[in-house]
Amino acid sequence: DAGVIQSPRHEVTEMGQEVTLRCKPISGHNSLFWYRQTMMRGLELLIYFNNNVPIDDSGMPEDRFSAKMPNASFSTLKIQPSEPRDSAVYFCASSFEGFENEQYFGPGTRLTVT
Amino acid sequence: KNEVEQSPQNLTAQEGEFITINCSYSVGISALHWLQQHPGGGIVSLFMLSSGKKKHGRLIATINIQEKHSSLHITASHPRDSAVYICAVSDSGGSNYKLTFGKGTLLTVNP
Repeated sequence: DAGVIQSPRHEVTEMGQEVTLRCKPISGHNSLFWYRQTMMRGLELLIYFNNNVPIDDSGMPEDRFSAKMPNASFSTLKIQPSEPRDSAVYFCASSFEGFENEQYFGPGTRLTVT
Repeated sequence: KNEVEQSPQNLTAQEGEFITINCSYSVGISALHWLQQHPGGGIVSLFMLSSGKKKHGRLIATINIQEKHSSLHITASHPRDSAVYICAVSDSGGSNYKLTFGKGTLLTVNP
């Protein structure tokens, strides 16, 4: 298996633009997580899907952030409009049945909003 | 909200030394995770444990539920162990959706 795949690996955009990050989980995993990592706040869980359904999105910072999982093999995290404070590395991870099993992380997307 | 504290924040060791990184948390949990983040940024899950002890190669993780404390040990450390080690806990209490992270321990192993 190729592991968790994220795209793009790097994204540079201007403030106000829409940004879409993509994730393909490991085949057979039914839980998917989006994380954000910054120097100031470290790693933070943004949203957790189980069987394609968002279970907890309380970590999503504000309405500018939205995430979807239309099927078991694809998820998106969208920021609209983007702001400089959204600059961070965004990780996607997947596991079998939630937090109680090992999570496999993607390589991350480094987002820079100027 | 669970508070997760790691110590030390930074650790420098010589190759071959035995290393211990500590993690304490404030509220009962369902599981504790140790993650490794390499200088290139990639994150790897090392251990997930809810009791006792686990061992993988030169890495050992222990957890004491009563004391709300976990340790990650590295025996015969090597420069390739240089990374940030992150502790994370999933909260118990019926809603195990929350994963709270420590701020990480930066380990540098010198040859």
